[in-house]
Amino acid sequence: DTAVSQTPKYLVTQMGNDKSIKCEQNLGHDTMYWYKQDSKKFLKIMFSYNNKELIINETVPNRFSPKSPDKAHLNLHINSLELGDSAVYFCASSQDTRGTGTYEQYFGPGTRLTVT
Amino acid sequence: LAKTTQPISMDSYEGQEVNITCSHNNIATNDYITWYQQFPSQGPRFIIQGYKTKVTNEVASLFIPADRKSSTLSLPRVSLSDTAVYYCLVGDPNTGGFKTIFGAGTRLFVKA
Repeated sequence: DTAVSQTPKYLVTQMGNDKSIKCEQNLGHDTMYWYKQDSKKFLKIMFSYNNKELIINETVPNRFSPKSPDKAHLNLHINSLELGDSAVYFCASSQDTRGTGTYEQYFGPGTRLTVT
Repeated sequence: LAKTTQPISMDSYEGQEVNITCSHNNIATNDYITWYQQFPSQGPRFIIQGYKTKVTNEVASLFIPADRKSSTLSLPRVSLSDTAVYYCLVGDPNTGGFKTIFGAGTRLFVKA
C-alpha cells in the first residue's frame, strides 16, 4: 500500500490559472509537509502542518496555500500560476519530530507542474 | 542551522564500497546528522540518522568522528540501483520537522 500518495502526477496548465494538488498519507502521522524541487534539484520546504500549527516558509508567495480537511490529507492550492511555479512538488509526512529525535519523513512520488 | 558541504558527484563500480563525506563545521550540540536518498522521479527516502560514533542499519553505515564536524555515509557493495542523489542534513529534530533543510546533495553514479 502506498504510504504517501499525490494526485495528479503530472499537471500542465497555463499562466493565471488556479490549481490544486492533493496529498494523502495512510501512516497515521500527525505532521505533513509540502516541498518544492526546482530544475536545479534543490529541495525547499514550503509548509509544515499539524493539528496544532501551520508553519510557512517566508519565501513562499501567498498565492500558495495548504488546506487540510483532516489529519491524513494536506492539499496544496496555487492561485494565479506563474511560469516560475514550474517544478516538482513533493508532499511528505512524519510524526511530529519534536520529542521523537528523528528527522524521518516519508515522501510522496511528486507532482510535476508545468506552467506554460 | 548548520550548513553542510558534500561533493557534487561521485562515480563507483558495482560491488565497491562507497563512502560519501559531509562537512558540517558549525554543527550544534543538539543536532543530529541525517541522510536521505533520492532516485530520479521519486521523493527522497530516509536512509540513516546518527548523533555520534557509528550507526549501522540494513542499508548503510554512518560514521561520525568525535568532533562531529563531518560524517561519512558508507554504502557497502553498491549496485546499479544505488545510483541516486544522497543528501546530508544536519539539525535538531526536536525543534520540529520544518527545520529539515536539504542541500544540493551528492549524485552517485554506479557503473557496471
